Amino acid sequence: DAGVTQSPTHLIKTRGQQVTLRCSPKSGHDTVSWYQQALGQGPQFIFQYYEEEERQRGNFPDRFSGHQFPNYSSELNVNALLLGDSALYLCASSRSSYEQYFGPGTRLTVT
Amino acid sequence: GQQLNQSPQSMFIQEGEDVSMNCTSSSIFNTWLWYKQDPGEGPVLLIALYKAGELTSNGRLTAQFGITRKDSFLNISASIPSDVGIYFCAGQLNNAGNMLTFGGGTRLMVKP
Repeated sequence: DAGVTQSPTHLIKTRGQQVTLRCSPKSGHDTVSWYQQALGQGPQFIFQYYEEEERQRGNFPDRFSGHQFPNYSSELNVNALLLGDSALYLCASSRSSYEQYFGPGTRLTVT
Repeated sequence: GQQLNQSPQSMFIQEGEDVSMNCTSSSIFNTWLWYKQDPGEGPVLLIALYKAGELTSNGRLTAQFGITRKDSFLNISASIPSDVGIYFCAGQLNNAGNMLTFGGGTRLMVKP
């Protein structure tokens, strides 16, 4: 049974560029959440998708947007990248409101 | 917004010793979870707690959901080198979504 998968593993972008990160949930899960984890800190909630709609959103600017597809996979898009966007981006999936399981993350470096 | 205070921030222990860490919040949660994260990887779920006062074990790990719903603790018995990593507590409200609020983590380092 495949767990949560994320791509790419690592990414280097230049300030001002746009980036798309991808996530495939664990089999049987219908809810995908995205978190940003800065070095040395706990993950911070960005938003959650359920039934292809954004269900909850954390305190992140509109530059952060997402999408969920009919197969429950999800994308995170970040526009106009800032140096401060450098972080580990984690995707977590769950079956509705049950416990969340995390993927390995995408390490984004903005230069 | 809500904040979780996790302590200690880091600790060295001797192999075989028991470990305790805790997490406190300024507001209540309906679910408490404990995760472990190894370098370069995502957090791995260790234990989930759903009721105030609940005490749950997973092998050498034991966690409790505080009676006030504002705190939780995690104990690791007879620590071994593979226990090294960062342990995070997370609270969940379950109100039209299940976003997690994380603590700052406890970095566990074991002396061989």
